[in-house]
Amino acid sequence: AQSVTQLGSHVSVSEGALVLLRCNYSSSVPPYLFWYVQYPNQGLQLLLKYTTGATLVKGINGFEAEFKKSETSFHLTKPSAHMSDAAEYFCAVRHRGGATNKLIFGTGTLLAVQP
Amino acid sequence: NAGVTQTPKFQVLKTGQSMTLQCAQDMNHEYMSWYRQDPGMGLRLIHYSVGAGITDQGEVPNGYNVSRSTTEDFPLRLLSAAPSQTSVYFCASSYIWGSSYNEQFFGPGTRLTVL
Repeated sequence: AQSVTQLGSHVSVSEGALVLLRCNYSSSVPPYLFWYVQYPNQGLQLLLKYTTGATLVKGINGFEAEFKKSETSFHLTKPSAHMSDAAEYFCAVRHRGGATNKLIFGTGTLLAVQP
Repeated sequence: NAGVTQTPKFQVLKTGQSMTLQCAQDMNHEYMSWYRQDPGMGLRLIHYSVGAGITDQGEVPNGYNVSRSTTEDFPLRLLSAAPSQTSVYFCASSYIWGSSYNEQFFGPGTRLTVL
């Protein structure tokens, strides 16, 4: 069965510092990979996704993630944090193939940005 | 387009009461799903549907019923509410086929408290 692990339920960085949010998956076949962001009292918004092709994926708001098959990882990074990046971030996977779009989510990482 | 809409935004129930959470989308998406979000547990899939008349269980289906009589609507029914169902509920939808099938759109959520 597929699973997703996000290391660190809370991450705090200073404004302007590097943001690194970790995500590892467990699957016999590399799945489709996603990062979603949730701002307070809002729904989830897709940041970026990896389906095929280039393993470095760029998303919205300056975020990017790299798919590393050998490490079964899909870590999210941003070179310079902004106060507006404070939110909860979820990594998710979807099984390749099949006619459903079932997503399996990690437990989330709450990002705090200090001035 | 309104996207994915959910009603109500907030609801308080007493143990044993029943209610229906409404979800509608105007994007002609085949796939619709319900998740619950609990602190430290991420989002967990309750039920999903790949088209009108077709539904299936997700990870945590007990205590919930769904039906899909139209493409647009996917209501979630709590037959006899329990305090363990206190949560934030999100509806999501997406295409199943085509180039954009991987992006799920989330509603704003319904915050449910069961006393």
